[in-house]
Amino acid sequence: AQTVTQSQPEMSVQEAETVTLSCTYDTSENNYYLFWYKQPPSRQMILVIRQEAYKQQNATENRFSVNFQKAAKSFSLKISDSQLGDTAMYFCAFMISNYQLIWGAGTKLIIKP
Amino acid sequence: KAGVTQTPRYLIKTRGQQVTLSCSPISGHRSVSWYQQTPGQGLQFLFEYFSETQRNKGNFPGRFSGRQFSNSRSEMNVSTLELGDSALYLCASSLGEGARGTEAFFGQGTRLTVV
Repeated sequence: AQTVTQSQPEMSVQEAETVTLSCTYDTSENNYYLFWYKQPPSRQMILVIRQEAYKQQNATENRFSVNFQKAAKSFSLKISDSQLGDTAMYFCAFMISNYQLIWGAGTKLIIKP
Repeated sequence: KAGVTQTPRYLIKTRGQQVTLSCSPISGHRSVSWYQQTPGQGLQFLFEYFSETQRNKGNFPGRFSGRQFSNSRSEMNVSTLELGDSALYLCASSLGEGARGTEAFFGQGTRLTVV
């Protein structure tokens, strides 16, 4: 079975702090893509960062970076210098060859002023 | 570049009715996927279309159907609505081929309420 597990239903940090969201997944495929999406109250799902499983180097996008551990099937998201606008639901997801995204249950992240 | 457009944004229907939701993808994108989002089940894949062909289908009953037109616009239809169909329906578009084709861009969704 293909599954994604996000073990933190909710997290809360102060503005400017660093926060790490955890994600583990399970798949028997060897070639896949991993994603973190954010969904603010506006409901629109926005791509935060993307990692190709065959690349060993961890992806980074400005304040967002991942720690990808392929053997452990772990894909955590680190947000540095957190901002109020980072408040949202964060979803971890992966895609295999059939172009179907498999989603985690999400982590609600609250950035406090 | 215009984003993914979903219409309508909100919809209220009665049990037993049918509904059609529309999705216009980003220009040049040939793949459109549909997802259902509910508090209880989270995000679940409905189906994916590429160049007017359904390539993949999730585990939903036959009441859920879709299609894609030659201009890549897609519609999904739900017949004989049930209360449990109340959800946010998200559409995503992508190139649909190769590594870059895995990047999905989402619309703002259609909030369907069945009463």
